Amino acid sequence: AQTVTQSQPEMSVQEAETVTLSCTYDTSENNYYLFWYKQPPSRQMILVIRQEAYKQQNATENRFSVNFQKAAKSFSLKISDSQLGDTAMYFCAFMKHSSGSRLTFGEGTQLTVNP
Amino acid sequence: DADVTQTPRNRITKTGKRIMLECSQTKGHDRMYWYRQDPGLGLRLIYYSFDVKDINKGEISDGYSVSRQAQAKFSLSLESAIPNQTALYFCATSDRQSRDTQYFGPGTRLTVL
Repeated sequence: AQTVTQSQPEMSVQEAETVTLSCTYDTSENNYYLFWYKQPPSRQMILVIRQEAYKQQNATENRFSVNFQKAAKSFSLKISDSQLGDTAMYFCAFMKHSSGSRLTFGEGTQLTVNP
Repeated sequence: DADVTQTPRNRITKTGKRIMLECSQTKGHDRMYWYRQDPGLGLRLIYYSFDVKDINKGEISDGYSVSRQAQAKFSLSLESAIPNQTALYFCATSDRQSRDTQYFGPGTRLTVL
């Protein structure tokens, strides 16, 4: 069974600064996907970024980038130029490569961006 | 219009009542999922369906049942609601073209008194 751990229940950052959210996972699989989802106060789950395990290049989406360390089973999210709208709960999630497989979520990190 | 919709958005009910939560999608995806979110626990999978004839239990299916009425509709039922089923419920969809990325509905806040 897969497990996903987010060791930082809460974090805060000043507007315009950079913050990194940590995620580690445990799996015996070699092919899998990793995701970061954002849940703002509206409670909608919004995909932030996705990483395929077979790709060595780290995924980026505008101000969001990841540091994927497969051997260490680490998948951190870096948010650059933080904005007030980035305030949300952030969830790290794991999915096996087999199609349609379930997502396993971490416990979440509440990020607050301060003005 | 939203691609994945859930009804109702909020519901308060009493112990022992039967409750149905509905999910509809216009994304054309074949796979649909129901998750439950509790504070501090992230989301956990209740049931998932790869197509109309294929339904599978997730990690916390006890006390729940589902119905896939059509490719676009997937309902979650609580036959006899109990207070510890108070939670936020999410429906999600995916398919091969979306590279199995799951897209979530807005959630249903269920309170069982």
